[in-house]
Amino acid sequence: AQSVAQPEDQVNVAEGNPLTVKCTYSVSGNPYLFWYVQYPNRGLQFLLKYITGDNLVKGSYGFEAEFNKSQTSFHLKKPSALVSDSALYFCAVRDEPGGSYIPTFGRGTSLIVHP
Amino acid sequence: ETGVTQTPRHLVMGMTNKKSLKCEQHLGHNAMYWYKQSAKKPLELMFVYSLEERVENNSVPSRFSPECPNSSHLFLHLHTLQPEDSALYLCASSQDVPVLGTGSYEQYFGPGTRLTVT
Repeated sequence: AQSVAQPEDQVNVAEGNPLTVKCTYSVSGNPYLFWYVQYPNRGLQFLLKYITGDNLVKGSYGFEAEFNKSQTSFHLKKPSALVSDSALYFCAVRDEPGGSYIPTFGRGTSLIVHP
Repeated sequence: ETGVTQTPRHLVMGMTNKKSLKCEQHLGHNAMYWYKQSAKKPLELMFVYSLEERVENNSVPSRFSPECPNSSHLFLHLHTLQPEDSALYLCASSQDVPVLGTGSYEQYFGPGTRLTVT
């Protein structure tokens, strides 16, 4: 079975400071991991994914995420937050091979960047 | 623009009405999904179509009826809804072909239809 947890409902950070949005997962095999962002009144938008290879994945809008197999985590990071980064962030996981081909989404973390 | 469009963007309907939500993807993808997003609740997967065949039906009440006439279009037919069905309904597509196994492709979401049932 595959599952994903986003332990924080909300993250607050000041503009210009680094930000981290946490995600942990549980799978039977190897994880395929995804991050999405949702702005108000919009659908989810793909940011980045980890399939294999380098543990540090770079994505859109300056975001990156680090895959940590020993800690079963895939935290989303950005070196310097912008007010426009304020949105809802979702982590998702697929279990490979043999798991569900449909990703399981976390509950979402609301990121608020203060000016 | 993600290449996935949804109409209408907003819909208000009474409990006895019948309406349909439409989704269209312009990406040449093989799989299409319906999700329900309610306030304070996780994203709920409703239906999945792969190569125009329904491959997942997540215990959704029969008042929701999906239709996938071709690989680019997906509909969600609504009838005799309840107020608790009020939510944002999201359509998504991906290159995956679930019936052939797993995939590593991300999903592309439409902007959603905000449904209010009165």
